[in-house]
Amino acid sequence: ELKVEQNPLFLSMQEGKNYTIYCNYSTTSDRLYWYRQDPGKSLESLFVLLSNGAVKQEGRLMASLDTKARLSTLHITAAVHDLSATYFCAVDRGGGNEKLTFGTGTRLTIIP
Amino acid sequence: DADVTQTPRNRITKTGKRIMLECSQTKGHDRMYWYRQDPGLGLRLIYYSFDVKDINKGEISDGYSVSRQAQAKFSLSLESAIPNQTALYFCATSDPRGLGGQFFGPGTRLTVL
Repeated sequence: ELKVEQNPLFLSMQEGKNYTIYCNYSTTSDRLYWYRQDPGKSLESLFVLLSNGAVKQEGRLMASLDTKARLSTLHITAAVHDLSATYFCAVDRGGGNEKLTFGTGTRLTIIP
Repeated sequence: DADVTQTPRNRITKTGKRIMLECSQTKGHDRMYWYRQDPGLGLRLIYYSFDVKDINKGEISDGYSVSRQAQAKFSLSLESAIPNQTALYFCATSDPRGLGGQFFGPGTRLTVL
């Protein structure tokens, strides 16, 4: 059974600081997704990582994937208040059919 | 207009009632999914469909059924609702290449009393 663990579950940080959210998963997969969810809203796709060593960046967010370590990271650079949200990683169980197993999410709060 | 729509957005019902949640999409995607979200548990896959004739169970399908009426429509039914089905339900779609991730609808908040 594929298990996906995120840490930390809750993160409160000051504006301007850097931090990293970690996503570990238990079985082999080469596709990993990051989503953002604002309170009371739906999920928005942030990154799709399709191979070992993949790195993608959008604004102050950068995601990477190490399939050998079964680890993905979401790095936040110089955080701003608008990045406050819950971030989920999700792992494809295999075959590219997008049967996703989600982590429990990291609730990020950026303090001015 | 939204690419993925869900109706109703909110529903309160009683134990034992039959409920249908509907999902429509204009993205032209073949793949559609139903998830439920519970606090502290993330999202869990209920059912998924890769085309009109292809329906598959997800990890928590017991107590649910689905119908894929057309490429654009995918409905989730609770035949006899129970309180532990109280949750936020999301429909999602994706392109078979999986390059853009899944696109989620706005969600339906269901409360079973």
